[in-house]
Amino acid sequence: GESVGLHLPTLSVQEGDNSIINCAYSNSASDYFIWYKQESGKGPQFIIDIRSNMDKRQGQRVTVLLNKTVKHLSLQIAATQPGDSAVYFCAETGGNKLVFGAGTILRVKS
Amino acid sequence: EPEVTQTPSHQVTQMGQEVILRCVPISNHLYFYWYRQILGQKVEFLVSFYNNEISEKSEIFDDQFSVERPDGSNFTLKIRSTKLEDSAMYFCASRLVNEQFFGPGTRLTVL
Repeated sequence: GESVGLHLPTLSVQEGDNSIINCAYSNSASDYFIWYKQESGKGPQFIIDIRSNMDKRQGQRVTVLLNKTVKHLSLQIAATQPGDSAVYFCAETGGNKLVFGAGTILRVKS
Repeated sequence: EPEVTQTPSHQVTQMGQEVILRCVPISNHLYFYWYRQILGQKVEFLVSFYNNEISEKSEIFDDQFSVERPDGSNFTLKIRSTKLEDSAMYFCASRLVNEQFFGPGTRLTVL
């Protein structure tokens, strides 16, 4: 069946360092991938997305990389700030429902 | 900036009771969703709704669950007879094209 999973459940980084959060997906039919940030007590918040016809997309301080060969997705956060502390989920879709990964906790140490 | 809203923020109910969770999606959106998140677990898809009917549902969405869009603005999730395992955060989401926008969630506690 389809599934999206994460390699690391918790990531601790020093403020100012770069963070990399990884995700593996198994449904090769998925054509759209999204990273969400979830702060405590809130709903998932869109960070960045990428379509399957791309391998890299950049936003403000964030970059998403897609490797379709190994079905791997990563989120890079540059100059990580305390406000980046949250749970990060990758999600994939073939057009309708989102299938979420298990989540990675990002802790930023000041 | 338009946003998805949900009420109530927290609902406590007794096992076997009916609950209705309410959502107001973003006004020009066409696709509507309910997801749930059991504490400490990942977000799981429940149901999607388009053109006034269910377009897709998961195995979780059994006969105890139903959705409605009673008017042009509200989107509701009803659980007819709640079970202990229904305790979770329930998120509503809506989209126009690609991106799904999520509401803040309703925390449902079944005692």
